[in-house]
Parts: sequence; structure tokens; C-alpha cells
Amino acid sequence: EDQVTQSPEALRLQEGESSSLNCSYTVSGLRGLFWYRQDPGKGPEFLFTLYSAGEEKEKERLKATLTKKESFLHITAPKPEDSATYLCAVQAPRNTDKLIFGTGTRLQVFP
Amino acid sequence: EPEVTQTPSHQVTQMGQEVILRCVPISNHLYFYWYRQILGQKVEFLVSFYNNEISEKSEIFDDQFSVERPDGSNFTLKIRSTKLEDSAMYFCASSVDSYGYTFGSGTRLTVV
Repeated sequence: EDQVTQSPEALRLQEGESSSLNCSYTVSGLRGLFWYRQDPGKGPEFLFTLYSAGEEKEKERLKATLTKKESFLHITAPKPEDSATYLCAVQAPRNTDKLIFGTGTRLQVFP
Repeated sequence: EPEVTQTPSHQVTQMGQEVILRCVPISNHLYFYWYRQILGQKVEFLVSFYNNEISEKSEIFDDQFSVERPDGSNFTLKIRSTKLEDSAMYFCASSVDSYGYTFGSGTRLTVV
């Protein structure tokens, strides 16, 4: 069964304290891995798509990487406005484009 | 930047009543989806819609649920007879190529 596990569940960082969020996945064949940001009471906001092992993408203070079993979202020198829940999701082939989500990592960055 | 618009933002309904949740996807997108998120739980897939028909649905999407694209712009999710366990955030999403969806802000459905 296709599965996505995110860790840690929650993370508290001081402003400027870099860290990484983990997304481990088990799928029969990866079509794409997606990172989203979700603010309370809002819909997921697209951040990155990764398609193959070794791929990396960056956007401001965020950098996503992908291996054959997991993905990392690295946050460099975070600011309080980076506080949100970060969701990882995968698409597997077999004629499906649905996203399978993890439970997310709730990030709090305090000044 | 184009966005997916959902209405209403919050709906309260009595158990057993029918509700229709509305979505306006991004205009040039061809793939449409509904997901839901029960408070404190994962975002879960409900249904995907392409070329005016359902392309995939989950086990959650039983006979009480239906989707429709009544015109060129709207995409609706109907729940025929709501149950308490249908209380959740419902998200509409659309995609131009079935990768990298854009989600709406959601409708919070509360069944009392």
C-alpha cells in the first residue's frame, strides 16, 4: 500500500535556526513528490514538485531534495512567517493522479 | 496569480440535509478534484474529474456523494444526506496537466 510518513510531527525553531523536515514514502512507482504549505484554516499552497532521485529545488529559504525513499525540506534561517504546517504528498502511477498525503509537520518559528 | 475559488467558506447544516459545495477552478485547467480534511487528520482524496466524467474515486466517495460540472466554469460537490462524520474541510483543486494541483481555500462543513 502506498504510504507517506512525515517527521517530526511538530518542530519549534528560533528565528535563524536552520533545520530539515523529513518525508518518507513507500510507493510502487513514484510519479511525483509534492511539498505544500498549509496555514490554519486554509488550503494547501504548492511549493515544489520533485520527480526523480537526486533532484533538488529551491525557493527563498526552502530547499527540497529527493532520494529513492525520502524527501527533505530544508529551511535555512527561518523567519516567523515560515510558521505553518508543511505537507508532503506523492503521486504513484497505475493510472492515478491522486495525491497521497502525509500528516504534515507543524513548524513554529519564534523570534 | 490565478486561483481556485470555493464558496461558501463555512456551511452549517443539519444531519440528513443535502449540501452543495461550489468551486470555480482555474480557467484553463482540465483536471478537477475534491479532497477533504477532517480536523487534525490527513488530507484525503475523494474524487477526480476529467473530460466531464469521474476518472477516479476513493472508498469515501460513496453513493451519497456526487460531482458535477454544470457549466464551463463551476465544479460542484453534492452530499445528498449529510452525516455527522461528514464534518470536515473540503478542498477543491484543479490542474492543467494532472501534476502540481492548485487548491482552493476550502469550505468548512459542520454537520449538527
